[in-house]
Amino acid sequence: AIQMTQSPSSLSASVGDRVTITCRASQGIRNDLGWYQQKPGKAPKLLIYTASTLHTGVPSRFSGSGSGTDFTLTISSLQPEDFATYYCLQDYNYPHTFGQGTKLEIK
Amino acid sequence: EEQLVESGGGVVQPGGSLRLSCAASGFTFEAFAMHWVRQAPGKGLEWVSLITGDGGATYYADSVKGRFTISRDNSKNSLYLQMSSLRTEDTALYYCVKRGFAYWGQGALVTVSS
Repeated sequence: AIQMTQSPSSLSASVGDRVTITCRASQGIRNDLGWYQQKPGKAPKLLIYTASTLHTGVPSRFSGSGSGTDFTLTISSLQPEDFATYYCLQDYNYPHTFGQGTKLEIK
Repeated sequence: EEQLVESGGGVVQPGGSLRLSCAASGFTFEAFAMHWVRQAPGKGLEWVSLITGDGGATYYADSVKGRFTISRDNSKNSLYLQMSSLRTEDTALYYCVKRGFAYWGQGALVTVSS
């Protein structure tokens, strides 16, 4: 199975900061990667698919980039509602695999 | 409005069995592959299984292969996960997810404990 290594595992930041989260795949996955946001007690929400396509309704401060093995999620200016846990997911092949998650906390 | 509602969660002893159901509405169910994704308490997300729209192909995580069976009944707009030989490490909230991962249910909690 493809391993997805996500970093950092946790991150403290302030409102207005620019934040970057990375995912590295153990083998090439083209651009078959999505990013998800999860808040406590809630189901995950899709933010970005095919590495860089913003899902409908997601604010433009979120962006994704990368292809092959290295991917990034960037939040250009953190808002209070962005403090959550973020996951990447490869859907290039089966079994699909998630990264370990990044918990984004308020500094 | 697209909606997914899981049911069938509960407490089961190790080695036992349980069947989860997911009722879908608001979209043409048979046209879409469906996933199960789980999350152990306080842990990250784990992809579990997928079934194609016609039910002709299924895929599983290595951790559940041979113990879990995904199925669907397109006439009832329903997705199922039959879980057997359950282990304590299968304790999790199980989400039903539409292909593309834009739509998730609220989850069904499965607790495996003696």
